[in-house]
Amino acid sequence: GDSVTQMEGPVTLSEEAFLTINCTYTATGYPSLFWYVQYPGEGLQLLLKATKADDKGSNKGFEATYRKETTSFHLEKGSVQVSDSAVYFCALSEPNTGNQFYFGTGTSLTVIP
Amino acid sequence: GAVVSQHPSWVICKSGTSVKIECRSLDFQATTMFWYRQFPKQSLMLMATSNEGSKATYEQGVEKDKFLINHASLTLSTLTVTSAHPEDSSFYICSATQGLAGVYNEQFFGPGTRLTVL
Repeated sequence: GDSVTQMEGPVTLSEEAFLTINCTYTATGYPSLFWYVQYPGEGLQLLLKATKADDKGSNKGFEATYRKETTSFHLEKGSVQVSDSAVYFCALSEPNTGNQFYFGTGTSLTVIP
Repeated sequence: GAVVSQHPSWVICKSGTSVKIECRSLDFQATTMFWYRQFPKQSLMLMATSNEGSKATYEQGVEKDKFLINHASLTLSTLTVTSAHPEDSSFYICSATQGLAGVYNEQFFGPGTRLTVL
């Protein structure tokens, strides 16, 4: 079945450091891939997405490229800020599973000044 | 993007009472809505998939008599936690999608409802 494996945290970085959060997936079809962010006490917000191989999703300085050959969708940001402190979830969804989402376990990021 | 609201955003109730949580799609028709449960510092666990006008499909291990889901219209789904107990305390999140078959459907998430059962 479909699944998402995400780098375990927590991750603690200094401000302006480079961020990578690894995400790999297993899917039976042609999934869309997502990164969601959850700030403390809030629901999930879509950060970025990619719907087909080689697509790059980007938003707020974050990027992730849909790599079919390595079944990966790693999240990167060149210079993190304190305001980026949150939990990040990698997820996939594909039409032949009724658009059900499969989430990774989440990676907590803390950015210190 | 489309907006999904949840009400209430937080609720505290006594053990043994029932609590209803509403999930609304504000500016689109949601053929399919999903209900998730999130435990502290953990990922989202899909509880059930709700299609408008039909019975919800529950994931294995989720008690359908405990968590009643009603998707009576294209913009509203409700989750009722019946006879709530402290172990039901959690963050409940809904999401909604147009649910068009065979194509990519973006899923929009509500802000979540924090339930605390005393």
